[in-house]
Amino acid sequence: QKEVEQNSGPLSVPEGAIASLNCTYSDRGSQSFFWYRQYSGKSPELIMFIYSNGDKEDGRFTAQLNKASQYVSLLIRDSQPSDSATYLCAVRGGNAGKSTFGDGTTLTVKP
Amino acid sequence: GAVVSQHPSWVICKSGTSVKIECRSLDFQATTMFWYRQFPKQSLMLMATSNEGSKATYEQGVEKDKFLINHASLTLSTLTVTSAHPEDSSFYICSANKRGTQETQYFGPGTRLLVL
Repeated sequence: QKEVEQNSGPLSVPEGAIASLNCTYSDRGSQSFFWYRQYSGKSPELIMFIYSNGDKEDGRFTAQLNKASQYVSLLIRDSQPSDSATYLCAVRGGNAGKSTFGDGTTLTVKP
Repeated sequence: GAVVSQHPSWVICKSGTSVKIECRSLDFQATTMFWYRQFPKQSLMLMATSNEGSKATYEQGVEKDKFLINHASLTLSTLTVTSAHPEDSSFYICSANKRGTQETQYFGPGTRLLVL
């Protein structure tokens, strides 16, 4: 079992819909959680981080964390074709150091 | 946010030569820097973790004598691919952790290496 698991996709949603990206992790002691977006041929870009259970909203993005279920998700509201990318979930055991990345979920938003 | 730069962005070299890639945190001092490699349509692969003034920690299967890492300051880390071969052709990406209550990892734009 991988330490951080994501559905590889591709996940396809129509423009304007909500895209839901999911991530599970195996280390119950994980404390820091990150979502990155990676466009084809580019490096990852930080979208959001979340440390506490519950929801965290930033514009069209909402990160949801449930430590009891070892589950973190990213919701993208009003999806746009420009959101088409691979989304990487990263998990860290403490407040510093190395993060473990999932393999990513590829999202396609169709006009 | 925070800015991490890499230089060069592209490099083409002949087999057997060595290539140095620089990674700089431009507007913050990095607690830790990381080097990744990514082949087309594959996942990020962590190569090594680097801290200023100490030896890098390499991931299993990464040859430390082939991928030399020097972390000279809190804002600069370099990766040297020694005696490069065509199979070393890849997208090399560095990242840096910005200090805070919780450290946040920011990525550089990457360096594409093509070994002929």
